[in-house]
Amino acid sequence: QKEVEQNSGPLSVPEGAIASLNCTYSDRGSQSFFWYRQYSGKSPELIMFIYSNGDKEDGRFTAQLNKASQYVSLLIRDSQPSDSATYLCASHYGNNRLAFGKGNQVVVIP
Amino acid sequence: DVKVTQSSRYLVKRTGEKVFLECVQDMDHENMFWYRQDPGLGLRLIYFSYDVKMKEKGDIPEGYSVSREKKERFSLILESASTNQTSMYLCASRVGSAGGTDTQYFGPGTRLTVL
Repeated sequence: QKEVEQNSGPLSVPEGAIASLNCTYSDRGSQSFFWYRQYSGKSPELIMFIYSNGDKEDGRFTAQLNKASQYVSLLIRDSQPSDSATYLCASHYGNNRLAFGKGNQVVVIP
Repeated sequence: DVKVTQSSRYLVKRTGEKVFLECVQDMDHENMFWYRQDPGLGLRLIYFSYDVKMKEKGDIPEGYSVSREKKERFSLILESASTNQTSMYLCASRVGSAGGTDTQYFGPGTRLTVL
């Protein structure tokens, strides 16, 4: 079974600060990775995906991928209270499947 | 915009009942998925379908079956509901490209309680 791990506990950040989330994956064959945001009681929604080593920026979000070390990270710059949510990391593997991490809760404190 | 809809947001059933959860997508996606999400366990894949009448077991298929008679509709069936199937059920769909960069789009979820 493919595993995606998000180990850190809830993350509290002051408004305007940078939130940093990390994720590791077990399958070296995974090629693409996704970050989803999930508000309490709602379904996951895609923030961004990445499949090349390095950084990918989209607005206040930056995804970073390091295939050699098998980790993916997400940075949220200028954190806003509306960023308070659970963030899910996922890796794509054969047969159209996604393996999801258990998520990291982010709380942005005004 | 991709739209994935699920038949109910909340559902309460009794142990032993047969339960149908319906999912419909409007983007002509080949792939559709059923997950359940539980606190501390994350999202777990129950079944998915890559074409009409085609299905594949996910990680936790026991106690569930699925049906896909039309491309836009994917049903999850609990043959005899049990209390341990109380959960949030999420449907997702995805276009069927081979590259793997296409995301899964999720429906709003059905919170099922089995008493």
